[in-house]
Amino acid sequence: TQLLEQSPQFLSIQEGENLTVYCNSSSVFSSLQWYRQEPGEGPVLLVTVVTGGEVKKLKRLTFQFGDARKDSSLHITAAQPGDTGLYLCCTNDYKLSFGAGTTVTVRA
Amino acid sequence: DTGVSQDPRHKITKRGQNVTFRCDPISEHNRLYWYRQTLGQGPEFLTYFQNEAQLEKSRLLSDRFSAERPKGSFSTLEIQRTEQGDSAMYLCASSLVGAGTTDTQYFGPGTRLTVL
Repeated sequence: TQLLEQSPQFLSIQEGENLTVYCNSSSVFSSLQWYRQEPGEGPVLLVTVVTGGEVKKLKRLTFQFGDARKDSSLHITAAQPGDTGLYLCCTNDYKLSFGAGTTVTVRA
Repeated sequence: DTGVSQDPRHKITKRGQNVTFRCDPISEHNRLYWYRQTLGQGPEFLTYFQNEAQLEKSRLLSDRFSAERPKGSFSTLEIQRTEQGDSAMYLCASSLVGAGTTDTQYFGPGTRLTVL
């Protein structure tokens, strides 16, 4: 059983569309992290969210941490083919515990 | 700084053979982690070192697996008597832990193991 459940598992959209992926748990976390992984590469850290209700923006990416610190979301505005990848959320502990990820494909 | 490097990037072996992977962390990073990632899943923690000391091993790390970090710099992960279920991407990450640091883990590109 995954500690973090991510949805959807797969998402395919056209360039210019918006998308949201979710990371949910029944547990409360002090913080969560989001990584992006491209095929054949290791994950790269995008953001760490720490405060319940927090919203962080990274260019066209908006990350939100739920008020109860049990869930998080990632919203991408006007997606581009370069956004294609596996988006992973994980606990921010010394040993990271990842969800299964959402595979995002942005078609040109 | 060239980031975390791993060698080889790909390894194909026959069942029953032994394999060894190497990870070179970011210089001066004192922590080094090994994860395993199978298709359709996120990485799963295997073990980690602080300097040369191996501080924790996951139950996923059977007795066929051994990891070392002899001088507190590079690390090796050896799998003996490989099984088809060992086929996965093996990821290494490193971080700097100490006063004023955030323990952000930086991942290498991984070694993809295929056991035939």
